[in-house]
Amino acid sequence: GENVEQHPSTLSVQEGDSAVIKCTYSDSASNYFPWYKQELGKRPQLIIDIRSNVGEKKDQRIAVTLNKTAKHFSLHITETQPEDSAVYFCAASDNNNDMRFGAGTRLTVKP
Amino acid sequence: GAVVSQHPSWVICKSGTSVKIECRSLDFQATTMFWYRQFPKQSLMLMATSNEGSKATYEQGVEKDKFLINHASLTLSTLTVTSAHPEDSSFYICSASLVGQLAKNIQYFGAGTRLSVL
Repeated sequence: GENVEQHPSTLSVQEGDSAVIKCTYSDSASNYFPWYKQELGKRPQLIIDIRSNVGEKKDQRIAVTLNKTAKHFSLHITETQPEDSAVYFCAASDNNNDMRFGAGTRLTVKP
Repeated sequence: GAVVSQHPSWVICKSGTSVKIECRSLDFQATTMFWYRQFPKQSLMLMATSNEGSKATYEQGVEKDKFLINHASLTLSTLTVTSAHPEDSSFYICSASLVGQLAKNIQYFGAGTRLSVL
């Protein structure tokens, strides 16, 4: 089955700096890669996703890149703000909708 | 956007009792719903996949007789934790995929239920 690894587990940046979170996956059949933001005690919120037919996707300060050959994808947050502080999860799934999550990254943005 | 409602948000129960958690898709029909468990500071672990009108598919290591899942309609799935014990205390989250969107894998999450078993 799919195995998703996520790094780093914690990340602290200064407000205004960029943050990068990386994930790798093992199943070449995976074709959908969402990123979720989860604040303490709340539901995961989809912030951006990418499909295997695309190499990069951007939405304002958030971007995701995908390297299918290397089986890794990354989340990039630019101009970070304190409200970006949360736990971020990457995930990978295939056409069977079997979604596997990374372990999560706790991002802290210092004002 | 698609809204998934989950109730209760928080439940405390005595050891040995059963607890039912409901997951509803409010403004769409969901052929498939998913149940996850999340321990503090850990990731979401898929427990089971629930398809309307059929038996749920459980992940390896998840006891189907312990965690009963019913998906009786396109808008409702329930998870019953039977004979709950303190080790069952956790955050349980459901998610749902839209009819017609299944192949696109998009899942919408409920707000979660925090279960504390005394």
